[in-house]
Parts: sequence; C-alpha cells; structure tokens
Amino acid sequence: EAEVAQSPRYKITEKSQAVAFWCDPISGHATLYWYRQILGQGPELLVQFQDESVVDDSQLPKDRFSAERLKGVDSTLKIQPAELGDSAMYLCASSLGGRTVPDTQYFGPGTRLTVL
Amino acid sequence: AQKVTQAQTEISVVEKEDVTLDCVYETRDTTYYLFWYKQPPSGELVFLIRRNSFDEQNEISGRYSWNFQKSTSSFNFTITASQVVDSAVYFCALEGGGSYIPTFGRGTSLIVHP
Repeated sequence: EAEVAQSPRYKITEKSQAVAFWCDPISGHATLYWYRQILGQGPELLVQFQDESVVDDSQLPKDRFSAERLKGVDSTLKIQPAELGDSAMYLCASSLGGRTVPDTQYFGPGTRLTVL
Repeated sequence: AQKVTQAQTEISVVEKEDVTLDCVYETRDTTYYLFWYKQPPSGELVFLIRRNSFDEQNEISGRYSWNFQKSTSSFNFTITASQVVDSAVYFCALEGGGSYIPTFGRGTSLIVHP
C-alpha cells in the first residue's frame, strides 16, 4: 500500500539552529500539505502545494519557515532559526488534488521536533 | 468561521466495552464534509471516514459506526466491543466553504485497558 514518507522521524536541535524536514507524497498525488501539531491539539495547516505551486501559506511564519516543492513531487520544510515554541510534530499529507470534490488526505508518520 | 469541538479530552474503558466519541461542529456553509481520523502512538493520522452534509445516513464499518445529525450539528463515532488496539487519539475534522483544508478538533484520547 502506498504511503507518505517523511524523514527524519525525530529531530532534536538547539534554538537558533536550522532544521529541515523532508516529505515524499504518494505517487501521483498532486497536492501536498505540511501541518504542525502541538501536543494535545489537532493539526494546523502551514502550507499547501498544488504540484510545485503554493496554494496557501497564510499560516506559515515566513520570517523563519520556508517550504518548497521544486519538481512537484517531494517537498522540504525548513525552519531557520528554530525557537523553543517550534517544538511540535510536523505532519506531511498528500491527496490526489481534485477541486470539485473533497480530497481525502493521507498522512505520513510525522517528524517530532524538539528544540532545546 | 468553522469550528470543531471534541469535548472529551480522554476516555478510558475496559476491553469489550462500547465507547462513543463526540464531535460537534459549527459552520455557515450548506455544503461541507466531515471526517474522522485515528492517530495511534506511531504518529500518523489514519483516515477513517468522510461524510458530506447531504448524506445523513448512519454508517457502519465492522466495529465502527458513525451517527451524523445535522439538527444537532454532531458527527459521533462509536466503537463497539473495544479492543486494546483501538487505543489512540481520534480527531474529528470539518471541511467546507470551498476550502479544501480541514479544521481539526483537539482530539479525544481513547485508552482501552485489557
């Protein structure tokens, strides 16, 4: 069964350092999402890509976060510099990318970030 | 604005008990979609079900069943004869208004004891 891949699974870093997370969506899925999930809460969208284009990054803290999906397949989310409040689970999801029906998102295992 | 409320933070049951997870939503959209996801300790969210606002039929899938009631804006999830493997955090989510981004509730942690 096809899955969304993410790496690393766990990342510990010191504040002010740079971190990067990688996501490989299910093959053929045009839409890719990055979410942040703070402990005890539901996921919140950071950025959505349709192919290589950003569709929604209104909740992405652009002063320190960046995301790219250069070839419209895999994606990288970067934080520079990391802050203590960035400690969270970062989830990647992908979907086929239809615009006329709801698009079921399939999630990866996530990257748990701890900032010390 | 859309909102999803899962008032139960944590539920603890003994194996074989039935358990219902509550979900109440708010939306001004006439067309919307409701979802349930399961998040086991491993972290990934597993899709369980999607329902649209025009289909109020209850659905049963094995030990899982869902009760959608527009009159009370609720989309509750029942697990019959719970098992230890059902232990996870369950999220209800709402998608509507032309947005393809779901709004998630805070989740309900279900603990099933042997």
